[in-house]
Amino acid sequence: DQQVKQNSPSLSVQEGRISILNCDYTNSMFDYFLWYKKYPAEGPTFLISISSIKDKNEDGRFTVFLNKSAKHLSLHIVPSQPGDSAVYFCAVTGGGNKLTFGTGTQLKVEL
Amino acid sequence: NAGVMQNPRHLVRRRGQEARLRCSPVKGHSHVYWYRQLPEEGLKFMVYLQKENIIDESGMPKERFSAEFPKEGPSILRIQQVVRGDSAAYFCASSPDGGHSYEQYFGPGTRLTVT
Repeated sequence: DQQVKQNSPSLSVQEGRISILNCDYTNSMFDYFLWYKKYPAEGPTFLISISSIKDKNEDGRFTVFLNKSAKHLSLHIVPSQPGDSAVYFCAVTGGGNKLTFGTGTQLKVEL
Repeated sequence: NAGVMQNPRHLVRRRGQEARLRCSPVKGHSHVYWYRQLPEEGLKFMVYLQKENIIDESGMPKERFSAEFPKEGPSILRIQQVVRGDSAAYFCASSPDGGHSYEQYFGPGTRLTVT
């Protein structure tokens, strides 16, 4: 029973273009949504988050969009840089401290 | 400012042995979480602890696994009588009191291999 899905296991984008990573969730009780970035052999690094009372949050090159009616979350990275190549996980929580993670999307930014 | 520290980074155990994984949270953080990542999967929550208390262990297998976060010293995840299926990366995270405790800061992980 997968409550958080990232349907694209991989994504390839050219440097300078926009990267769009998607995440779907099933439980409307989730109220806080996060994106983490992970390099091989390292722990996940927090990137950006959004609460359910908002539909957009922006931090530099990173913007997270939340569509509550569709139970859909997306991360936009623009412009994409080679250093952005990593695995991106969305994570959700529903009032407690437990994070539920998606399975990740491997982003590759090509020169 | 040291982040979350985990040791060892790599641990090899034979089936039936015990594994002890240690986690030192960010200084000043009193909330500790353990997650497990199996190959080709996302991270799965195991347990949430505050100093000397287990708050949520809903993701912890009922047998062989235990966790503690004593008043002094690191948090310990203990796996008794390891089996091959325990091979995974185990990540510890911490968060501060107040603020967004949802924003958890992760350590580099311990990669457990059971032979």
